[in-house]
Amino acid sequence: ETGVTQTPRHLVMGMTNKKSLKCEQHLGHNAMYWYKQSAKKPLELMFVYNFKEQTENNSVPSRFSPECPNSSHLFLHLHTLQPEDSALYLCASSLGGTGTHRELFFGEGSRLTVL
Amino acid sequence: GDSVTQMEGPVTLSEEAFLTINCTYTATGYPSLFWYVQYPGEGLQLLLKATKADDKGSNKGFEATYRKETTSFHLEKGSVQVSDSAVYFCARGERGEGGKLIFGQGTELSVKP
Repeated sequence: ETGVTQTPRHLVMGMTNKKSLKCEQHLGHNAMYWYKQSAKKPLELMFVYNFKEQTENNSVPSRFSPECPNSSHLFLHLHTLQPEDSALYLCASSLGGTGTHRELFFGEGSRLTVL
Repeated sequence: GDSVTQMEGPVTLSEEAFLTINCTYTATGYPSLFWYVQYPGEGLQLLLKATKADDKGSNKGFEATYRKETTSFHLEKGSVQVSDSAVYFCARGERGEGGKLIFGQGTELSVKP
C-alpha cells in the first residue's frame, strides 16, 4: 500500500455510539492531521501531531478524541456525537517539524453520518 | 483571523474554455500559497504552489501568481478539459507552521464536452 489510507470509508452511527476512524500513512512522514470537510464550508483543521506529539487542537469539542501511537498511525475516537458532526473527515500527513511549508498528502476521507 | 476566500461555485464551462477561479487571502506574515484539487471520490492533492510574492506556480496547464499587492492567488487555465472537473481549494500556510494550512471553502468545476 502507498500514500495515506483511511478506514472506514463510510460510517453511520447513533448519537450514543462509540466508534473510531483510522488513518495510516506509508510515506515516512512525521506529521499527521485531521481535517473536517463539511458542505459549502472551508476545510477545518482539527488536530495536528508532530513526531507523535499533539501540537494543535483547534478548539475541537471533547467528543472528538485523537490518538497518535506512532508516526504512521492516527486515530479519531468518536463518542456521543451530534448530527451536525456529520461530515467527511480527512486525514493528511507531511514531513514533520515547523519549518517552511510542508506539502500535505491526503487520504480519501471517512464519510461520517450521525443519526 | 487569517482566512482564505474563494469564488463560489459551481462553475460550469465547456471544454476548451478559459478558467479563472478567484482566491484572496488575509495573513499577518508572509504566507505560502497553494491550490489543491479533489477529484470525485478522492482525497485532496497538491496542484501547485508559490512561496513568495510574484512567484508563479504551474502544473498540468494550470497557473497561479502570488500577488501580494492584491493579496490574491487566482487559478487559471487556458483550455479546460472534461477531466479537470473537480473541486479546487485555495490554501495558505505560514512560515514556521509546517504543514498547517488554512483552506478556502472550495470551488466546484464542471466541464462539459
